[in-house]
Amino acid sequence: GAGVSQSPRYKVTKRGQDVALRCDPISGHVSLYWYRQALGQGPEFLTYFNYEAQQDKSGLPNDRFSAERPEGSISTLTIQRTEQRDSAMYRCASSLEGASSYNSPLHFGNGTRLTVT
Amino acid sequence: AQTVTQSQPEMSVQEAETVTLSCTYDTSESDYYLFWYKQPPSRQMILVIRQEAYKQQNATENRFSVNFQKAAKSFSLKISDSQLGDAAMYFCAYRNLPGAGSYQLTFGKGTKLSVIP
Repeated sequence: GAGVSQSPRYKVTKRGQDVALRCDPISGHVSLYWYRQALGQGPEFLTYFNYEAQQDKSGLPNDRFSAERPEGSISTLTIQRTEQRDSAMYRCASSLEGASSYNSPLHFGNGTRLTVT
Repeated sequence: AQTVTQSQPEMSVQEAETVTLSCTYDTSESDYYLFWYKQPPSRQMILVIRQEAYKQQNATENRFSVNFQKAAKSFSLKISDSQLGDAAMYFCAYRNLPGAGSYQLTFGKGTKLSVIP
């Protein structure tokens, strides 16, 4: 498809389990962002990649959260030892240009809804 | 750090009428981008309109227009001739220019717009 694709769409996991969320950006898009959105709130920045380089991970809440984009395309957000407070919608976005010169908007995926029981 | 404030958690408008959603932001930068995103019940994130701060002219996109008051750091969205399909959460967002610190989108908490038939 032409848009940002995220999988799975829904994920229910038990507390303490690890989860991996996948993002497939629009082909050719340089920048990739991960956001987390709690119900009734705006998206909150987690981390950003320019090609395969993780340029900013200041939004990751703690060291249980990590992300990678090894070949500059697909990205995986991993949450280890999940806790109930991790339950949220996790969104990926991509844009054509890198942060050094951007005028193109972010294109968001439909998100992965994570529920930790 | 930049902050974005949407002071209206919920708004309603009669179909075919006009509604204005408020947004204020805080930044020490003189140039930046501002955006309005729409999130319908499907929970997609759809870019509605964007404004470059250096442009004096207010952006317009069909029935959507903004009132950008740079000195007041205000960026309101006006929806004219409201339609049932406009019902959604609306998020105001801010983004620095390249090279001006963090470049992620910073979102407000959103305004839920209901359209009354």
